[in-house]
Amino acid sequence: RKEVEQDPGPFNVPEGATVAFNCTYSNSASQSFFWYRQDCRKEPKLLMSVYSSGNEDGRFTAQLNRASQYISLLIRDSKLSDSATYLCVVNVAGGFKTIFGAGTRLFVKA
Amino acid sequence: SQTIHQWPATLVQPVGSPLSLECTVEGTSNPNLYWYRQAAGRGLQLLFYSVGIGQISSEVPQNLSASRPQDRQFILSSKKLLLSDSGFYLCAWTVLNTEAFFGQGTRLTVV
Repeated sequence: RKEVEQDPGPFNVPEGATVAFNCTYSNSASQSFFWYRQDCRKEPKLLMSVYSSGNEDGRFTAQLNRASQYISLLIRDSKLSDSATYLCVVNVAGGFKTIFGAGTRLFVKA
Repeated sequence: SQTIHQWPATLVQPVGSPLSLECTVEGTSNPNLYWYRQAAGRGLQLLFYSVGIGQISSEVPQNLSASRPQDRQFILSSKKLLLSDSGFYLCAWTVLNTEAFFGQGTRLTVV
C-alpha cells in the first residue's frame, strides 16, 4: 500500500463548480499535512496546511480526519486559473520525511 | 529569508555518462533535505532524504546516490545514467513538521 494515495483524476469541471479531492495516508503516526499545487513543468508550491480543526482560505477548504486517515480539499467557485495538479503531502517519521501523493489533475473549463 | 538554489535547470546527457546535480539552501540551519524525481505525467517520487550531514536515507533502490557534504548542500549523483533516469528532479528542504520548499528543478533528458 502506498503511503499517500490520491485519485489521479483528471477532474474536468466547468467554471463556478465545486470540486473535492480526497487523499488517504497509511501511517497513523503522521504528524503534519499539506496541500500543494503544481503547474505544468513547474515545482510544487504550498497551497495550504491542513489542521485538525479544518481550515479555510478564500475558496479553498481543507479538512483532516485522523480517525479515518484522510485529508480533503474543497474548491468552491472554480476558476480557469485553478487548473493544475493538486498534491497531498504528509510528514512521517517524526516529521523528518515528507511524502507526496501522486497528485490529482484538475481542468476547469469555460 | 530562506532560499534554495538548484542547478542546472536543464540537462541532456548520453546514456552511460555520469551525473551530478547540486542543491544549496540559504537562510536556515540543519534543514531536512530531499531529492524527488517526477517522470512525465507522474507524481513526485521520493529518492533520498537527509536529516543531517552525512546522513542519507534511500527510498528507492536504483543507480542514483546522494551525499550531504555540508549542512546546506545536497548532491545527487550517478556513475552511469540510464534512459529511465530521465525526468524532472526536484530538491526540497523542510524543518521539522513544516511545509517543503522546492528548488526550481532540473529537467534531465538521457539520450
